[in-house]
Amino acid sequence: DIVMTQSPGSLAVSLGARATITCKSSQSLLYSSNKKNYLAWYQLKQGQPPKLLIYWAYTRESGCPDRFIGGGSGTDFTLTINNLQAEDVALYYCQQYYNTPRTFGQGTNLEI
Amino acid sequence: EEQLVESGGGLVQPGGSLRLSCAASGFIFSSHWMYWIRQAPGKGLEWISRINNDGNSTKYADSVKGRFTISRDNSKNTLYLQMNSLRVEDSGIYYCARVGAQLVWDTWGQGTLVTVSS
Repeated sequence: DIVMTQSPGSLAVSLGARATITCKSSQSLLYSSNKKNYLAWYQLKQGQPPKLLIYWAYTRESGCPDRFIGGGSGTDFTLTINNLQAEDVALYYCQQYYNTPRTFGQGTNLEI
Repeated sequence: EEQLVESGGGLVQPGGSLRLSCAASGFIFSSHWMYWIRQAPGKGLEWISRINNDGNSTKYADSVKGRFTISRDNSKNTLYLQMNSLRVEDSGIYYCARVGAQLVWDTWGQGTLVTVSS
């Protein structure tokens, strides 16, 4: 199984500041034939189902604010949240869909 | 509106059984692979099982293999998870999720709570 290592486990950032979460996979998530990284980011708020934010490592899902920026390739990825808003308080998970089983990082608890 | 609605969760004793359902609406259910994913109390997300669009291919996490069975009825637009021999560690919120065109889980149900306790 591909192991996803996410850090930090928790993060406190001021309103309007930038938050950066990193995610490292135990093997490359870059598929050579299409040059796509099979890495997604999800947001999980209390009492709500997970919400897809980013896929293919950097493509924002429809409705995801542009302050959410995904980056990286291969085995090292980041989720950057610029101009942090109160509604961004949540758990964030990276997840690989390069192969089965699809595995998640341990999650990052983002607080203000 | 594309929607998934889970039901069937509840309180059950260790060793007991539950059947979860996930009703789909607003999209062509039979075109999509489907998954069950759970979140145990205080823990992260865990993939449990998946089924292909016509139901003839399934996979399970090692933690539930041999105890859980995923199935679907495309005529009823419904996904199921039969859970047998339940353990305390199976407690959590169970979500069904759809695999979208970009191969990711783009639509999720609101979740159903399963509590395994004596």
